[in-house]
Amino acid sequence: QQKVQQSPESLTVSEGAMASLNCTFSDGTSNNFRWYRQHSAKGLEVLVSIFSDGEKEEGRFTAHLNRANLHVSLHIREPQPSDSAVYLCAVSMWGYAQGLTFGLGTRVSVFP
Amino acid sequence: EAAVTQSPRNKVAVTGGKVTLSCNQTNNHNNMYWYRQDTGHGLRLIHYSYGAGSTEKGDIPDGYKASRPSQENFSLILELATPSQTSVYFCASGDADSSYEQYFGPGTRLTVL
Repeated sequence: QQKVQQSPESLTVSEGAMASLNCTFSDGTSNNFRWYRQHSAKGLEVLVSIFSDGEKEEGRFTAHLNRANLHVSLHIREPQPSDSAVYLCAVSMWGYAQGLTFGLGTRVSVFP
Repeated sequence: EAAVTQSPRNKVAVTGGKVTLSCNQTNNHNNMYWYRQDTGHGLRLIHYSYGAGSTEKGDIPDGYKASRPSQENFSLILELATPSQTSVYFCASGDADSSYEQYFGPGTRLTVL
């Protein structure tokens, strides 16, 4: 069964500094990766979706995927206090509708 | 934009009672999902559906039933609620046309006393 682990558990950054989050997965055949943001137990907001090795940028959010290393990361450029939230990594197989496997999340706090 | 709504948003139930959580989506997506979110476990898949009349077991289906009477509606049913089912429940929808992106509702906080 797919296992998804995120690190660090929590991260504190200053406004304007780069924030980097990590996610490792166990099933090397996975090919559908997404980063979500969740403010205070509210709904999930998708930030970036990535399906092949390399980089994918969506505004201030950039995902990097290295399937050989079973690793996907998220970088937040110029984080703002409004980016303070829990960030969730989700993994699945493309074309499979059986749902996503989530990590436990990284809590990011951005201070002015 | 994708729209998934859930009702009720908050629910307090008694042990042994029946609870029905409802989800509606206006995206015309084929697939719908129910997850629960708990501290220390993250989001876990309970049931999902490929379309009207279809329900499939996810990773933690025990104690839950699901119903998909139409494309738009997907319900999660707790026939005999237990305190261990106290959680926040999220519904989502998606399909191939959305690159299998899943759009989530705002969640339902369920407390079973």
